[in-house]
This record gives sequence, structure tokens and C-alpha cells, in this order.
Amino acid sequence: KAGVTQTPRYLIKTRGQQVTLSCSPISGHRSVSWYQQTPGQGLQFLFEYFSETQRNKGNFPGRFSGRQFSNSRSEMNVSTLELGDSALYLCASSSLSPQTDNEQFFGPGTRLTVL
Amino acid sequence: GENVEQHPSTLSVQEGDSAVIKCTYSDSASNYFPWYKQELGKGPQLIIDIRSNVGEKKDQRIAVTLNKTAKHFSLHITETQPEDSAVYFCAARGGADGLTFGKGTHLIIQP
Repeated sequence: KAGVTQTPRYLIKTRGQQVTLSCSPISGHRSVSWYQQTPGQGLQFLFEYFSETQRNKGNFPGRFSGRQFSNSRSEMNVSTLELGDSALYLCASSSLSPQTDNEQFFGPGTRLTVL
Repeated sequence: GENVEQHPSTLSVQEGDSAVIKCTYSDSASNYFPWYKQELGKGPQLIIDIRSNVGEKKDQRIAVTLNKTAKHFSLHITETQPEDSAVYFCAARGGADGLTFGKGTHLIIQP
């Protein structure tokens, strides 16, 4: 079974631009969560989607948004990029089955650099 | 919200020795505690997890213990090998919230 895939793997943008990152979950998984990883703040939860609906949201400004499609693929968007948005953005998928409802499996991440 | 503290930030052990990483959490409602291993250039990999109705879980050389009263949980790796070198993260989750992670432990296995 293929793992979580994220595209692109690397991205360079300039301040003020916007960016869209994509995530394809493990086949059969209907929940997708996004995390931001930086050296200073570590891994921080952005939001979670299930069946095309945002299920939960972390403490990030409204510039960070996401969506999920009917095939469970998800995208996240960051508008008006700031230097501090430079990070590794990780996507995790979960089946939300009764036995494994909390297990999250991560993709390799998208490395975003804002200049 | 939940707060997870992880210690130590760096741990160096001789190959073959055991390694122990400890975490504490603040939210008594948290009921799921996974551990992830992250190697350079890769995403975190789930290596073991424990739920609040279990005190200990073991998978070959890896074990996790949970003390709900004290709100702490630990990762134990026995007979460490060079391939165990990585950054390890603990996390906690309650209900529908996202995972709250510790800051990570850089485990170095000395040959």
C-alpha cells in the first residue's frame, strides 16, 4: 500500500506571495491533518479534514487555510507569505476506524522557503 | 490546551545499551500517546503508541509506559543499534484535537 504523498517536495517563494501544497493520503484513509515543523516551534498542528469538512483547527492565523476533496486528497494554502512561514509542512492521514482511530501516518513533507 | 514536555533534548548512548526518553503532558483528557521517529529528510514515522487504558506496551526492542496519575509516559529502546540514531518525538491527543508534540530528542548511538 502506497504511503502518504506530498507535492511539491521543495518550494521557494518570496514574501507576499501565496502557495498551495498538496497531499494524497493512504488509500482508504479519509482523514488528513496538516502540521508545520520549524526548528524553533517544533511540530505544530494546523488543521484536520474529514469527509471534506474541517474537523479541528490549530492556533494559526487565517492566512493558513485548507480543503479536502471527495477523493480525500487535501490541499493547504498560505496567503501573503511571511519569512516566518519558512518550514517543513507535513501531512498525515488516518483511517479513523474504531481500532486505529488515532494513528496518523506522515508524508515526507514539503519544504517551503520564503525569501 | 495540551502541553507536552520532552526530555532530554539530546541523548548519547553506546551501541547495545538502553535509551529512555521521557514526556509529561498537562491535559488529563488526553488518551492517546504515540511516539514518532524522524530521520533526516523524512517525515515522522510512527513506531509505537499507547492508549490511556493500557499501562505498558512492547514491540520487540521498543516499549512504552504510561502513568496516567502522574501524567507522564516514556519510550524505552533496548539493545540500541546504529539505525536507531534519529530524532524521536512524543505526542499526546485527546478527543478530536490534533496531536500535540514534544520538542524532540536527538538520539545518538555511539559505536
